[in-house]
Amino acid sequence: GQSLEQPSEVTAVEGAIVQINCTYQTSGFYGLSWYQQHDGGAPTFLSYNGLDGLEETGRFSSFLSRSDSYGYLLLQELQMKDSASYFCAVTFGGNNRKLIWGLGTSLAVNP
Amino acid sequence: EAQVTQNPRYLITVTGKKLTVTCSQNMNHEYMSWYRQDPGLGLRQIYYSMNVEVTDKGDVPEGYKVSRKEKRNFPLILESPSPNQTSLYFCASSPLPSGRSYNEQFFGPGTRLTVL
Repeated sequence: GQSLEQPSEVTAVEGAIVQINCTYQTSGFYGLSWYQQHDGGAPTFLSYNGLDGLEETGRFSSFLSRSDSYGYLLLQELQMKDSASYFCAVTFGGNNRKLIWGLGTSLAVNP
Repeated sequence: EAQVTQNPRYLITVTGKKLTVTCSQNMNHEYMSWYRQDPGLGLRQIYYSMNVEVTDKGDVPEGYKVSRKEKRNFPLILESPSPNQTSLYFCASSPLPSGRSYNEQFFGPGTRLTVL
């Protein structure tokens, strides 16, 4: 079957760097995306990797390695407002634009 | 303001009473999708639509219907709701991806549904 695995919880301190991994048991997907969701809020888009390698967007970076079946989201210079849940998702393309989502990682940033 | 709106935001209903959750976007997006979110299960796709009159099943379509008669609207219909459909529902839209491109999905604020 198709599945994505993420750690359920991660804790870090302000100013630190944290990496959230996403490993998958699926193939044939177009790319890996990352979304952030604060408690009670809607998911918001952070980053997308269509190709292997690193994508950088400000304090956030995302990486994909298809050969290793994993990706990660890297958050630098952590701020309290980064406390949220982070989801990875794979997109199946062509006429089939299904998304399969990971269960999410709850990040707690402490002072 | 570019946005995705959902109504109602909160709904408590009883088993078997048909309901519709509306979703509307003002960004002229072709692609729209419905998700449900449950504790410990993450986001699961219910249905999606590539364009008007084109819909397809996601991972958990049982018990739901959708229609896409207009580009901006994508209502989610529960013909006979059951307690296991108690969940937080999100609608999302994006421009239609072409080839291997990806377009971020814009999510509505969510609808919290309780079926008694």
